[in-house]
Parts: sequence; structure tokens; C-alpha cells
Amino acid sequence: DAGVIQSPRHEVTEMGQEVTLRCKPISGHNSLFWYRQTMMRGLELLIYFNNNVPIDDSGMPEDRFSAKMPNASFSTLKIQPSEPRDSAVYFCASVKRERTGELFFGEGSRLTVL
Amino acid sequence: AQSVTQLDSQVPVFEEAPVELRCNYSSSVSVYLFWYVQYPNQGLQLLLKYLSGSTLVKGINGFEAEFNKSQTSFHLRKPSVHISDTAEYFCAVTFSGGSSGSARQLTFGSGTQLTVLP
Repeated sequence: DAGVIQSPRHEVTEMGQEVTLRCKPISGHNSLFWYRQTMMRGLELLIYFNNNVPIDDSGMPEDRFSAKMPNASFSTLKIQPSEPRDSAVYFCASVKRERTGELFFGEGSRLTVL
Repeated sequence: AQSVTQLDSQVPVFEEAPVELRCNYSSSVSVYLFWYVQYPNQGLQLLLKYLSGSTLVKGINGFEAEFNKSQTSFHLRKPSVHISDTAEYFCAVTFSGGSSGSARQLTFGSGTQLTVLP
């Protein structure tokens, strides 16, 4: 079975540029999460979707960040404009039954903003 | 609010030696507990979970963990480690019961880097 698929795996961009990260959850999973991982702050939940609807975006750091889930098989996380402090690994995760903590993570997108 | 403390940020151990990675949590309600493993340049992967029942939980790759409610701990153990166990290990907790116990409320610890030495 295919796992959670993220692209790109690596992205290097310059400050001020727009960045779009993509995620394809596991088929049949109805909840999707975006996390950010840094050395300083560890794993942070950015936003959570249930049945394609954003439920909780309280972790999104600021208005420069936005996320969409137009259908059950695709989600994007966009940063515009990007800043050096956005450099991190961004993970997408999905879960079949939201009532447990059994998340399935993608391999992550490593973002470097120069 | 719930929280998770992983007491050791780095644990070096020789190959074939036993290892214990410590995890303590705080919560005013019943919890579900998890250990995730992250290999270099990969995402997190579920190692084992405690939802209910037996307090000794067995996971993949020979790992096990014991839920101790009185000490609010969920330590991870392996009797004999391999080089391939080198990774970062995350303890995580969420509420159980009612409308809670959801993945959205999962709280991760800061991680323990296990390094297995030859």
C-alpha cells in the first residue's frame, strides 16, 4: 500500500519567494495533519483537516501560512512570502480513525529559505 | 492540559546491550500513549501504542513499553539493540474517552536520540 506522499522532498528558496508543499494522504484516511519540525521547537501541529474541512488552524504561525485540502486525496501548505525562520522539515500525516493517535507520516519536505 | 517529558535527549549504547528510553506524562484524565520512531531523513513511524488492557505493550522490532499509571510513565525497552535501531524516538500522549482521545490532541515529547555503537 502506498503511504503518505509528500513533494518536494527538498526545497531551497530565497526569502520572499512563495513556497508550496504538497501532500497525498493514504486512500481511505479522512483526517490530515500538517506538522513542522525544527531543532528548537520540536514537532508542532500547524493545521488539521477532517473530511477535507479545516478544523483547527491555531498552530499556523502567521498569515503568511495557508493550507487547503480541495479533495480527499490532496492537500497543500503554502508560505508566502517565505522567511529564513520558516526553514524546517514539514510533515504531512493522515489517520483513518481520528479518535486515536495512530498517525501515518510522510517522509517530509525539507525547506531551506536563504 | 497534558504534557510529555522525555528525560534523556541522547542515549548512546553498545550493540547487543539493553536499553530503556524514559517517558513521563502529566494528564488529569485517562490517556492513550504512543512511541514513534524517526529514522534519519524519514517521517515518524508508529512503534507501539497503549490504548487499554495489558499494561505491557509489545511493538515492532522487538521493542516493548510498560504503562505505569501510578508513576505516570511509559518507558520503552529493548533487551538487545542493533545498529539499525539508531534513530530518534518520540513518546506521545492524547486523551482517551468522550469526544477526546483524538489525533488532533496528540502531544509529542522532545525526542530521545538513540545511538547504537559497534
